Amino acid sequence: KQEVTQIPAALSVPEGENLVLNCSFTDSAIYNLQWFRQDPGKGLTSLLLIQSSQREQTSGRLNASLDKSSGRSTLYIAASQPGDSATYLCAVRSLSGGSNYKLTFGKGTLLTVNP
Amino acid sequence: KAGVTQTPRYLIKTRGQQVTLSCSPISGHRSVSWYQQTPGQGLQFLFEYFSETQRNKGNFPGRFSGRQFSNSRSEMNVSTLELGDSALYLCASSLLSGRIYEQYFGPGTRLTVT
Repeated sequence: KQEVTQIPAALSVPEGENLVLNCSFTDSAIYNLQWFRQDPGKGLTSLLLIQSSQREQTSGRLNASLDKSSGRSTLYIAASQPGDSATYLCAVRSLSGGSNYKLTFGKGTLLTVNP
Repeated sequence: KAGVTQTPRYLIKTRGQQVTLSCSPISGHRSVSWYQQTPGQGLQFLFEYFSETQRNKGNFPGRFSGRQFSNSRSEMNVSTLELGDSALYLCASSLLSGRIYEQYFGPGTRLTVT
């Protein structure tokens, strides 16, 4: 059974800092990994999607890496801003019985960027 | 292109009642998945529908059911509500069903059971 863990559960940093969020998963047989952002009481916004054959993806100040063999991914946020404050969720897509696939989520890292 | 929409956004029900939540996918998307999010358990997969057929199901009791219509809109039903069913219910749509298709999430329906 796939399990996804995110460390730390919460992080508070001053504006301008570079930071790293961690995600680990127990079954390395994944097809892709996705990082999401969730604002309080809202839905999920996809940030980056990394296919299993890729090592990293970049979008603006965000960079996500994937090491499938070790079951790890990191999300790097450069020059953090107060608007980055949100919960960041990591999810992996893997086989779920027969030929079906499902997303398994971590519980998220609550990020607060202080002005 | 409009995103995924969910109705209602907020709902308050009493234990023992039943509830139906609705999800309209992005135009052209044919797969709809449902998730439950609670502070204790996080985000958990409920089920996926594709072309009006349930493709995949998570580990939830039979009180949770769903269906999909020919226009790809989906409904989720929870019968005999329990206090523990209080959660944010999220719907996600993708173009087709399968591992390569990215899911796009709606804003969710906040269900409170009293």
